[in-house]
Amino acid sequence: QQPVQSPQAVILREGEDAVINCSSSKALYSVHWYRQKHGEAPVFLMILLKGGEQKGHDKISASFNEKKQQSSLYLTASQLSYSGTYFCGTAREVQGAQKLVFGQGTRLTINP
Amino acid sequence: DTEVTQTPKHLVMGMTNKKSLKCEQHMGHRAMYWYKQKAKKPPELMFVYSYEKLSINESVPSRFSPECPNSSLLNLHLHALQPEDSALYLCASSPVEGGPYEQYFGPGTRLTVT
Repeated sequence: QQPVQSPQAVILREGEDAVINCSSSKALYSVHWYRQKHGEAPVFLMILLKGGEQKGHDKISASFNEKKQQSSLYLTASQLSYSGTYFCGTAREVQGAQKLVFGQGTRLTINP
Repeated sequence: DTEVTQTPKHLVMGMTNKKSLKCEQHMGHRAMYWYKQKAKKPPELMFVYSYEKLSINESVPSRFSPECPNSSLLNLHLHALQPEDSALYLCASSPVEGGPYEQYFGPGTRLTVT
């Protein structure tokens, strides 16, 4: 089942912060975050594997609340390079392979 | 080398044509994926190969025929497509054991069916 992301779109000025939420009506065992710039392939950001886990690199971090079946992606002091569409994804193993289902995406626009 | 390559970058084909999309990776990944992405939508899983065997077929129409000739190559054969099949086709790869794991995506093939 497809996870639900909010908001659908965000417009920021450079240096502002943003939060993107991802929730699921089914139990989440892991949450994946990807960013896709226009005309490019999705690029992996991070995986959160268990409830309460938080990860981050540079000024992008994420948290995972297993109980609430939701994850949030935090972008701090946004840079122009952060522009793009952010997808969360939920994964489950099927016959040794990973089935990844993406949310509908959040379009982030950073203006100078 | 963490690159997944796809050819061609762009493809225009008629509804009666037969064409193939190609994907290659040299990361030693034993899972390879085909996704379809329409404009302003998320990638949608089509097929998954695990150890060169088809593990997942997401009820894709038979006019799309995947093939995994070896652990580095993945093909998608196209025949008698419809205009609504026009989309970006993405290939991805990942390890198999000990998941979950990140997927590495190729740049995609932009397909237009006329």
